Formats: sequence, C-alpha cells, structure tokens
Amino acid sequence: SQQGEEDPQALSIQEGENATMNCSYKTSINNLQWYRQNSGRGLVHLILIRSNEREKHSGRLRVTLDTSKKSSSLLITASRAADTASYFCVTDLSSYKLIFGSGTRLLVRP
Amino acid sequence: SQTIHQWPATLVQPVGSPLSLECTVEGTSNPNLYWYRQAAGRGLQLLFYSVGIGQISSEVPQNLSASRPQDRQFILSSKKLLLSDSGFYLCAWSRVELFFGEGSRLTVL
Repeated sequence: SQQGEEDPQALSIQEGENATMNCSYKTSINNLQWYRQNSGRGLVHLILIRSNEREKHSGRLRVTLDTSKKSSSLLITASRAADTASYFCVTDLSSYKLIFGSGTRLLVRP
Repeated sequence: SQTIHQWPATLVQPVGSPLSLECTVEGTSNPNLYWYRQAAGRGLQLLFYSVGIGQISSEVPQNLSASRPQDRQFILSSKKLLLSDSGFYLCAWSRVELFFGEGSRLTVL
C-alpha cells in the first residue's frame, strides 16, 4: 500500500490564486520531499523538509510538516500556468527506501 | 555535474518477449539507484533499489528483475513480458533527494 496519500487528487485554480496540496503518511520518517512531474516527463525535486523542521520556504513554495499528525502540506502562492503539473510527496521508510504518494494533479487556468 | 541517462525512451514489445532497460549515472560515485514504474495517471511504484554493486532490493514480486553490474549502471529486465508490465519506467539516483532520468515508456501488446 502507499506510504503517502495526497489530497486532493485533482485541483483546478485560476492563475494568481494559491494552491494547497496535502500529504498524509503512515510511519515515522526522517524527511519528506515534494516533487513535480510535468506530463509524461521525469520528476523534479522541489523541496525537502526534515522531521525536526516545521516549515520551509523556497521561492513561491511553502512546505509544512506536522509529525504528530503525520501530514505535510505544499502551498504554491501566486500560481502560474507553468505550475500545471502533478505533485508528489515522498517519504523515506529507511535511508534508502523512498516511497511516493499517489499525487495531486494541479491545473492552473490562464 | 551529475547526469542520468536512461534508454530506450519508448518501446513497443509483444507479450512474452524479453525486456532490457538501461540506466547510467555520470558525475558521482556509489549512488543509490532506483527503478520506479508509473501507470497512466497514477503515482510511482518502487520496483527495485540498490545501494551498491550487486546489491538489489526488490519491492514488488513480479516477473521483473534488476541488476547493477557496475557502480553507476542499473538494468531492469524481464524474460517474458506481460500486458500488465506496460507503463512508464523511471530510473533515479539519490544521495538524499532523487534525480530522475527522462523515463522509458513501455507498451506491451
């Protein structure tokens, strides 16, 4: 079964709006990562947050982590059409075993 | 800088035929290597990972196998493909974050 589950499965917003995606996981982790995948392509790393961190920023991205609830959120502010992609959270069951969630498909309408 | 190459990019194979997908990494040594599979519109399923030459961990029992004959080479194989093997296969390497190849799209007919 999946370690991580993203919510919502699909999200459609207007350009300029903020997009929030959530990820829940089942077991203890060392860190949690978010990746983006443009249609039919490889994935690109966005941001990593360690288990002892609660919030992290990178440009228009803001990630939070709540280890007590085993959940994380990814916020994209001031969205652009180019942000249209699938977004995945990745958790580490061990130092080597990296498990993907089911993903959120984001559509940003111009 | 590090780069990862994966090939072939696309292939169409008949049921029962063999498979070989290859992945090589440049610019780093002793990387952790991964094979993932992605069904259409779905998340990524971890198939195999390797932390060193000859060391392969299998996550999903199936008719696929992986080998790591050299430090920066990772091969995904099958002796006889099934229809259910169709999908998008992604190779990746990591230290902490994953770096992906561009993927191989396999269609089994």
